[in-house]
Amino acid sequence: EPEVTQTPSHQVTQMGQEVILRCVPISNHLYFYWYRQILGQKVEFLVSFYNNEISEKSEIFDDQFSVERPDGSNFTLKIRSTKLEDSAMYFCASREGLAGGSDTQYFGPGTRLTVL
Amino acid sequence: AQTVTQSQPEMSVQEAETVTLSCTYDTSENNYYLFWYKQPPSRQMILVIRQEAYKQQNATENRFSVNFQKAAKSFSLKISDSQLGDTAMYFCAFMIRGGYQKVTFGIGTKLQVIP
Repeated sequence: EPEVTQTPSHQVTQMGQEVILRCVPISNHLYFYWYRQILGQKVEFLVSFYNNEISEKSEIFDDQFSVERPDGSNFTLKIRSTKLEDSAMYFCASREGLAGGSDTQYFGPGTRLTVL
Repeated sequence: AQTVTQSQPEMSVQEAETVTLSCTYDTSENNYYLFWYKQPPSRQMILVIRQEAYKQQNATENRFSVNFQKAAKSFSLKISDSQLGDTAMYFCAFMIRGGYQKVTFGIGTKLQVIP
């Protein structure tokens, strides 16, 4: 069964450094998302992406964050200058989005980001 | 804005018994989906079951079933014949149908299955 994959599974970085989290959505999906979950808290929406542009973003998704689909398969989240409070689990999700198709979002296994 | 409320932070159940996790939500939308996601200690988010709001029939997936009460905005998950592998955080979630809609999650219920 196709699945969303994410790399790396765990990323440790120093405060102020840039990080790029990578995701490979399910191949025929058209909508892509990033969510984050700070330890012990609920999963929060960051951004949605469709047709090579951001369709919606939350107030968390400030100028330090950016997303990109550099080729036909990868979907990346970049944090330009990491802060301690960016430490969280980051989930990528994708959705088929075709007319009559499934609206379910399928989540990747997550990348645990630790900012020291 | 949509909200999802899970009022049971932690629950436990004996192996092979049945347990019900509660969820309520608030929305002014009429066309939406509700989900239960499971998050085991590995922290991967796994879809357990999905319900379309326009369907009156409650969704079932093997040992998992829901009680969807649209008027009451209630969406509980019943796990029958609980197994040790069911130990996980369970998140109730909501999504408006169509467009690029995001999923809104509840705070989660930690379920422990006791041998």
